[in-house]
Amino acid sequence: GEDVEQSLFLSVREGDSSVINCTYTDSSSTYLYWYKQEPGAGLQLLTYIFSNMDMKQDQRLTVLLNKKDKHLSLRIADTQTGDSAIYFCAESMNTGFQKLVFGTGTRLLVSP
Amino acid sequence: NAGVTQTPKFQVLKTGQSMTLQCAQDMNHNSMYWYRQDPGMGLRLIYYSASEGTTDKGEVPNGYNVSRLNKREFSLRLESAAPSQTSVYFCASSREGGFSNEQFFGPGTRLTVL
Repeated sequence: GEDVEQSLFLSVREGDSSVINCTYTDSSSTYLYWYKQEPGAGLQLLTYIFSNMDMKQDQRLTVLLNKKDKHLSLRIADTQTGDSAIYFCAESMNTGFQKLVFGTGTRLLVSP
Repeated sequence: NAGVTQTPKFQVLKTGQSMTLQCAQDMNHNSMYWYRQDPGMGLRLIYYSASEGTTDKGEVPNGYNVSRLNKREFSLRLESAAPSQTSVYFCASSREGGFSNEQFFGPGTRLTVL
């Protein structure tokens, strides 16, 4: 089945770390993604991880993948007010032409 | 290089009216997609076009039709709009479908059906 779940809301203070979590159900997913949506805009790819990796770091972003538990997380270090947005995880479905299945999105609010 | 553009940005329709949402990309991408975004439900795929000349149903195709007019353009048509189609619609494109190919999104069309 195709089901990607996220918590709806996260609030942190500027300078703290943020951790956004995601669970997915399709163990055959080859890539997992994190997208960011700023108010009134479309989604932009932040980072992605191949399913045979368990961690990927890109500047302030750290992605952790626990394939056994089908759990994906995005850690943002030193969170800034400009990081306030909705964050979506997505999995690629390994069925010929690969489509993305998106989670429900986590709204991150960063207060000064 | 404008990326993915969508028109209109906003639209209000009455139940039963029809309209076409336009999408164009200038990145020479093969694959294009239409999603709808509803509160608490993330993005759901309506239709996609793996390459010019092909279209396929996604997760929620009922009430919609699409046309891949050429490599650049992919339109979404609502033949008889219903209040349940009130949503934000996003068009996206990618170089080809799958693997690490990034999907690039347009700014969205906010549609209200009264």
